Amino acid sequence: DTGVSQDPRHKITKRGQNVTFRCDPISEHNRLYWYRQTLGQGPEFLTYFQNEAQLEKSRLLSDRFSAERPKGSFSTLEIQRTEQGDSAMYLCASDGGARYEQFFGPGTRLTVL
Amino acid sequence: AQSVSQHNHHVILSEAASLELGCNYSYGGTVNLFWYVQYPGQHLQLLLKYFSGDPLVKGIKGFEAEFIKSKFSFNLRKPSVQWSDTAEYFCAPPDAARGALIFGKGTTLSVSS
Repeated sequence: DTGVSQDPRHKITKRGQNVTFRCDPISEHNRLYWYRQTLGQGPEFLTYFQNEAQLEKSRLLSDRFSAERPKGSFSTLEIQRTEQGDSAMYLCASDGGARYEQFFGPGTRLTVL
Repeated sequence: AQSVSQHNHHVILSEAASLELGCNYSYGGTVNLFWYVQYPGQHLQLLLKYFSGDPLVKGIKGFEAEFIKSKFSFNLRKPSVQWSDTAEYFCAPPDAARGALIFGKGTTLSVSS
């Protein structure tokens, strides 16, 4: 399967701990997006990359969140000093064309205790 | 800011009933439009897409959608639903400036057999 993959699929952590998630996009896709989805809501945009450049961050992304995409391949999303409000599904998507058709990974479900 | 509105939050149907889910969006410079579906326990996947041309587009599993430019609408339809169509459905136009998809709250479809 050459779709978008994410790791881990589930993460349980205690408040105050740091967590890091990884996303591997479809290999030829140059754009990569991170979204967050909470129960009963649609995904909300967090940030996106064009190749290795992070082009925009949502105001939802506090200073505790940081994302990287070294060499324009996989991406990581780190949350420092987690809070209970960070509990959500974190989704990664990629697209390679001009029409914004995105392919989603399975997500990482974060639970902060 | 661009927005999307899905008219129905939860729809309950019996098998073989017809389905129409409403979607209205604010125009953001592009008419690329998408419907995504999330089956229980699975990740978001593309149901159908509109880029240009015939405003009636067909997707997977017998779904279709009609783009009405004058109404900024992109309603999803299926003549006869099946139990396996039970899922959450999202209308998602892209933000023309960044390409990130704008999701509404989604519509939960429950089909009873």
